[in-house]
Amino acid sequence: GEDVEQSLFLSVREGDSSVINCTYTDSSSTYLYWYKQEPGAGLQLLTYIFSNMDMKQDQRLTVLLNKKDKHLSLRIADTQTGDSAIYFCAGLTGGGNKLTFGTGTQLKVEL
Amino acid sequence: IAGITQAPTSQILAAGRRMTLRCTQDMRHNAMYWYRQDLGLGLRLIHYSNTAGTTGKGEVPDGYSVSRANTDDFPLTLASAVPSQTSVYFCASSDQDNNEQFFGPGTRLTVL
Repeated sequence: GEDVEQSLFLSVREGDSSVINCTYTDSSSTYLYWYKQEPGAGLQLLTYIFSNMDMKQDQRLTVLLNKKDKHLSLRIADTQTGDSAIYFCAGLTGGGNKLTFGTGTQLKVEL
Repeated sequence: IAGITQAPTSQILAAGRRMTLRCTQDMRHNAMYWYRQDLGLGLRLIHYSNTAGTTGKGEVPDGYSVSRANTDDFPLTLASAVPSQTSVYFCASSDQDNNEQFFGPGTRLTVL
């Protein structure tokens, strides 16, 4: 099955860019997602990218997909304290609607 | 009700007891899911249901059962709770035409 990995922790200064990385193993993943989880809450979808795309930009968020290396990244421009949360990448494999989540990256934004 | 709700918010349970976590959605989504979230392991799928009347096993189904009698409700039952089932449980739903999964607020379960 799919295996999705992320680094556990990232710390940045307010106003800097954050880059959260994710690697996955299943090359047939059709969609790749980024979810955000704020303390004590459920997950909210931030953005997603279809497997035939290399990049997707949505306001301060940029998703880059390198299919050859099975590497996904989420860049947050001008990071704010409100961006402090856990970020999960997830892959949707072909033929189903089940997601495989990474371990989550805790983003801490310092003043 | 708006979106997806879970009950209870939190529960402390003695080992060996039976417990049902409730999940209800009002979005008429076909598919529903149960995940558990553990530190360092991310979210792992326990059981899922693609449509009312059908269920399937996820990555970590042992010790859990589900039912899907109707579109809106997807309860998760622990027949005889064990301490390793201490976790935060999230229910989610999605439409068959849209892969976005919507998550409930979670249930924090502690088994002593």
